[in-house]
Amino acid sequence: AQTVTQSQPEMSVQEAETVTLSCTYDTSESDYYLFWYKQPPSRQMILVIRQEAYKQQNATENRFSVNFQKAAKSFSLKISDSQLGDAAMYFCAYRVVGNEKLTFGTGTRLTIIP
Amino acid sequence: DSGVTQTPKHLITATGQRVTLRCSPRSGDLSVYWYQQSLDQGLQFLIQYYNGEERAKGNILERFSAQQFPDLHSELNLSSLELGDSALYFCASSAGIGTSGINEQFFGPGTRLTVL
Repeated sequence: AQTVTQSQPEMSVQEAETVTLSCTYDTSESDYYLFWYKQPPSRQMILVIRQEAYKQQNATENRFSVNFQKAAKSFSLKISDSQLGDAAMYFCAYRVVGNEKLTFGTGTRLTIIP
Repeated sequence: DSGVTQTPKHLITATGQRVTLRCSPRSGDLSVYWYQQSLDQGLQFLIQYYNGEERAKGNILERFSAQQFPDLHSELNLSSLELGDSALYFCASSAGIGTSGINEQFFGPGTRLTVL
């Protein structure tokens, strides 16, 4: 069974600094997608960034980037120049190509310190 | 705003009761997904419908059922409710199915169910 592990229940970072959230996953599949979702206090699930497993290049979206290590089954999220609006729960998620089910980790609560 | 709507936003009911949660997908999306988020937990996939047909099933209890109607909106029915069913229930929608690219899922705002 596929599992997604986020080992950091809580993280905090000073405003304008950089923070990295960790995610590891367990799978025997070779073709899959990985995602980071943000859930602010409004509870809305917002897609932050996505990565196709067949792509070696790490995905980047403005201040958000990932470090995808396929062999290590690791998918960390780096947030640069942290802003107060980045405060939220962050969920790592995984989906096998051809399968619709998203498997989520338990989340990391990120606090931004002004 | 993702374009996915869910009603009601909040629902408070008693144990043993039955409730219906409603979801309208983004315009043009054929797939609808239901997820359950218990307190301080990640989301658990419940079920998916594609163009009216059940497509995939997750850890959905037998007391729960869902359907997708011809206008593509979906309803999740929860019956014989228990305290442990209290959770945030999300609906998501996507354009198609997984074989047609990354098929990103867009989430609605969720329905907060409280069972007393």
